[in-house]
Amino acid sequence: DQQVKQNSPSLSVQEGRISILNCDYTNSMFDYFLWYKKYPAEGPTFLISISSIKDKNEDGRFTVFLNKSAKHLSLHIVPSQPGDSAVYFCAVGRSNDYKLSFGAGTTVTVRA
Amino acid sequence: DTAVSQTPKYLVTQMGNDKSIKCEQNLGHDTMYWYKQDSKKFLKIMFSYNNKELIINETVPNRFSPKSPDKAHLNLHINSLELGDSAVYFCASSQVKAGAYYGYTFGSGTRLTVV
Repeated sequence: DQQVKQNSPSLSVQEGRISILNCDYTNSMFDYFLWYKKYPAEGPTFLISISSIKDKNEDGRFTVFLNKSAKHLSLHIVPSQPGDSAVYFCAVGRSNDYKLSFGAGTTVTVRA
Repeated sequence: DTAVSQTPKYLVTQMGNDKSIKCEQNLGHDTMYWYKQDSKKFLKIMFSYNNKELIINETVPNRFSPKSPDKAHLNLHINSLELGDSAVYFCASSQVKAGAYYGYTFGSGTRLTVV
């Protein structure tokens, strides 16, 4: 029973353009949301997060948007760079819990 | 200086063997985790320890036994290995409860192959 879904397994984008990654979750009790980036043969690294009291959080080229009513979040990368080519995982959790639930990941390829 | 280090990075072993994976964090975090990434690429939590106390124990075969000698270490021992145990195992740590805004810090993973 997968609580977090990333329906696009892959995304190809041209350098300099916007990358948009999507994530849907099932449980309205989740109240914080994170994105992780993973390169091959490495562990995931924390990228950006947002709590349920916000609908947008920005950090440089990365912006996360949260739509609580739709149980949907997205990650925008603008502009996309070759170094952004990686697998991106969406993760969700509850503030009274220790556990994060992860999506299956979206592989982003930035073309030069 | 690696924040969360796992050893070994690769492990190839025969069915029925017993093996251990070690994890150490030098971040001073209170909570440590083991996650399994299966062939479908999902990251699924297995165990979590907070200050050496087991706080999460998901539905995992009892052939898997975590051990936390202190809050900087969380080891995973697997008995009677099966083909289906082949996966990448990630150790992680966090400071605030459930990671909050800071998320987890992951190790680089241990790729276990059972033949």
